[in-house]
Amino acid sequence: RKEVEQDPGPFNVPEGATVAFNCTYSNSASQSFFWYRQDCRKEPKLLMSVYSSGNEDGRFTAQLNRASQYISLLIRDSKLSDSATYLCVVNSGGFKTIFGAGTRLFVKA
Amino acid sequence: EAGVAQSPRYKIIEKRQSVAFWCNPISGHATLYWYQQILGQGPKLLIQFQNNGVVDDSQLPKDRFSAERLKGVDSTLKIQPAKLEDSAVYLCASSPQGEKAFFGQGTRLTVV
Repeated sequence: RKEVEQDPGPFNVPEGATVAFNCTYSNSASQSFFWYRQDCRKEPKLLMSVYSSGNEDGRFTAQLNRASQYISLLIRDSKLSDSATYLCVVNSGGFKTIFGAGTRLFVKA
Repeated sequence: EAGVAQSPRYKIIEKRQSVAFWCNPISGHATLYWYQQILGQGPKLLIQFQNNGVVDDSQLPKDRFSAERLKGVDSTLKIQPAKLEDSAVYLCASSPQGEKAFFGQGTRLTVV
C-alpha cells in the first residue's frame, strides 16, 4: 500500500460546481498535512494547510479525519482557473514529507 | 522575498553522461529538499537536508546520484552516469523547519 494515495481522476466538472477530493495516508503517526496545487509544467505551490478542526480559505475547505486516516479538499463554485493537479502532502514526523500522485481537475465552461 | 532559485531550467544530455543541478533556497530556510517528478506522477523525495546534514536520503539512488549542501545554504544534485529513466523534472524546495515547502521552478532533464 502506498503511503499516500489519491484518486488520479481526472475530475471533469462544469463551472460553478462543487468538487471534493480525498487522500488517504497509511502512517497513523503522521503529524501535518497540506494540499498543494500544480499547474501544467509548473512547480507545486502550497494551497493550504489542513488542521484537525478543519479549515476554510475562500472557496476551499480542508478536512482531516485522523480515525479513518484521510484528508479532503472541497472546492465550491469552481472556476476555470481551478483547473490543475491537486497534490496531497503528508508529513510523517522526523521531517519526512510524502506527496501523493495528485488528482487532476478540469473545470469546463 | 526571493523564491527558490534553480538552474539550469532545461538540460538535454546523452545517457552515461553526467549532469549537475544547482539550488539556492529561500534565505533563512534550514530545510532543503530535492524531488524527482516523472511525468504524470507526484514528486518523489530524493534527499532532504536540515542545514548541511542529511535527514533522509532513503530514496536516492546512491550508485549514480549524489547531493551536497555545503555551508547549509546552496545545494547541488549530481547524476553520474545518467540513464534514460532519469528523464524527469528535478525540483528543489525549502522550508523554515521541515513543514510547508516552497518550490523552485525545477530543472527539466531529458536523457537521450
